[in-house]
Amino acid sequence: ETGVTQSPTHLIKTRGQQVTLRCSSQSGHNTVSWYQQALGQGPQFIFQYYREEENGRGNFPPRFSGLQFPNYSSELNVNALELDDSALYLCASSLESGFIQYFGAGTRLSVL
Amino acid sequence: DQQVKQNSPSLSVQEGRISILNCDYTNSMFDYFLWYKKYPAEGPTFLISISSIKDKNEDGRFTVFLNKSAKHLSLHIVPSQPGDSAVYFCAATRPGGATNKLIFGTGTLLAVQP
Repeated sequence: ETGVTQSPTHLIKTRGQQVTLRCSSQSGHNTVSWYQQALGQGPQFIFQYYREEENGRGNFPPRFSGLQFPNYSSELNVNALELDDSALYLCASSLESGFIQYFGAGTRLSVL
Repeated sequence: DQQVKQNSPSLSVQEGRISILNCDYTNSMFDYFLWYKKYPAEGPTFLISISSIKDKNEDGRFTVFLNKSAKHLSLHIVPSQPGDSAVYFCAATRPGGATNKLIFGTGTLLAVQP
């Protein structure tokens, strides 16, 4: 069974640029959630995708957007990067009805 | 508004002793709670969960207790081992909504001393 994988592991961008992060869900999982973890904080929910549609969104501006593909993999896109976007971005997959989410190792984004 | 709170940023315990990690929540609509463990450079790993219809759930060395009236849960690790040293996150969710989003606390860094 393949777990959740994320790429890249690290990324450095400058303010104003755009970034795309990628996630492959655990085998058999059809729901993908994205979280942002700032230093010293717990993960914060960005949004969730199910059946290729956004299925709930946290308190993040529209410049955070995503996609889910037919194979359940997902992308997180962030436009007009700000310094405060520097964080660990975590992807988690689950079954539609499942309460337990399984996380990838994350992508560490640094915005300079 | 921090709906899930872990008021102890860190905890140090001797190997073989009990580790008790605490978590409080404010939203009475939460009815499913989870604990995750996180090592540096890794994602959070699911540890144990509890539904609000229970007050205790046990899995090996790990036991979670839930006190709904106090809106408080705790994770007990007995006996603690050096490999348990990690950041522990408490999370809560409201099953039945459109989104099973997890609301996390800020984490407690557990250090188990050999």
